[in-house]
Amino acid sequence: DAKTTQPPSMDCAEGRAANLPCNHSTISGNEYVYWYRQIHSQGPQYIIHGLKNNETNEMASLIITEDRKSSTLILPHATLRDTAVYYCIVRPIYTDKLIFGTGTRLQVFP
Amino acid sequence: SAVISQKPSRDICQRGTSLTIQCQVDSQVTMMFWYRQQPGQSLTLIATANQGSEATYESGFVIDKFPISRPNLTFSTLTVSNMSPEDSSIYLCSVVLGSNYGYTFGSGTRLTVV
Repeated sequence: DAKTTQPPSMDCAEGRAANLPCNHSTISGNEYVYWYRQIHSQGPQYIIHGLKNNETNEMASLIITEDRKSSTLILPHATLRDTAVYYCIVRPIYTDKLIFGTGTRLQVFP
Repeated sequence: SAVISQKPSRDICQRGTSLTIQCQVDSQVTMMFWYRQQPGQSLTLIATANQGSEATYESGFVIDKFPISRPNLTFSTLTVSNMSPEDSSIYLCSVVLGSNYGYTFGSGTRLTVV
């Protein structure tokens, strides 16, 4: 299964876009990219997922490079409530298990 | 998405005892997943629970320590047996409705073993 690499921490000013990178250079064509976040003391919250195409929903946008070796989660207008640990996860389509890495701790400041 | 009710939300237990954590889902789901999150760490998958069959455990986790029941498509329990302080963690259950959906997580059970 493909492994993901994320920076351990990032800062973002409130109201600005937060761009969280994820490297998954060994990803194969049948593996999804998922993003979750975990706000302190809560269960992980689903944000978005994609296979090959870029995706957008009410929370965020997911940009996957053409070679699929990396992706970026974009929170268009970060708020203080977006302060959390963000996990990028690669899941093969033949398994239902989500295996978490270490994630990126995003701190949004006023 | 599914709604998960997980109980208890927290507990403080004596070493050597066992605690059973319940996970109730408002939809019928094929698989339920149990995770552990040790203090300051990421989530680690303990096992996958299918209705009507024995749970599948990940490396490092065994049935004697973490027995799981899955009596129907909306309910599962995880027992943490013969607890020691090293078992102090948050335990979470998770489900997925289908490949077009995200996985939903319960709010977790914060366990402290003294």
